[in-house]
Amino acid sequence: DTEVTQTPKHLVMGMTNKKSLKCEQHMGHRAMYWYKQKAKKPPELMFVYSYEKLSINESVPSRFSPECPNSSLLNLHLHALQPEDSALYLCASSRTGSEKLFFGSGTQLSVL
Amino acid sequence: GESVGLHLPTLSVQEGDNSIINCAYSNSASDYFIWYKQESGKGPQFIIDIRSNMDKRQGQRVTVLLNKTVKHLSLQIAATQPGDSAVYFCAENTKTSYDKVIFGPGTSLSVIP
Repeated sequence: DTEVTQTPKHLVMGMTNKKSLKCEQHMGHRAMYWYKQKAKKPPELMFVYSYEKLSINESVPSRFSPECPNSSLLNLHLHALQPEDSALYLCASSRTGSEKLFFGSGTQLSVL
Repeated sequence: GESVGLHLPTLSVQEGDNSIINCAYSNSASDYFIWYKQESGKGPQFIIDIRSNMDKRQGQRVTVLLNKTVKHLSLQIAATQPGDSAVYFCAENTKTSYDKVIFGPGTSLSVIP
């Protein structure tokens, strides 16, 4: 299994809603990542978990809250988002921190 | 500061021709470089990588060249096919933070049949 699975594929939410994005990999990878990507722009790093510990937070607003329940799962909890947070949210994993990333297909998020 | 950039935002090539996509980086501490391909509606897909102790690496129809002197990276695609149409990103890992992978702005490759 060489896949990173993200759910849901699409999400529409209001600014007062609470929702969660989920990511799963079964490759035994020990590093997992959240990226945000706006249209026609490169992915922007948000968070990195290494061995289930948060190792990097790129000054992301607290309305985004990551969670790594175990080595295979990564969640991104969303609360009180703004319309400008609408974007494609990508999850990725790598065997260790300095190897190639495997990406999921992303969650296309729209905040109304 | 750290940055990875591309010289050409768009590139159109005739089917069967070779494509060259360029990337400039400014962080001399970077020691691992990766090229990704992103098709519409999908996440980035790994193409090829190179570490700073090498200057050339070849894969199937793709070659990555690294020139550390001028901090330049290129991706060469041989015999470009319509399926190669996508956005291509270079990305770098720095020695200072192995977990941090930073992407360049991307080049959109369009293959003309």
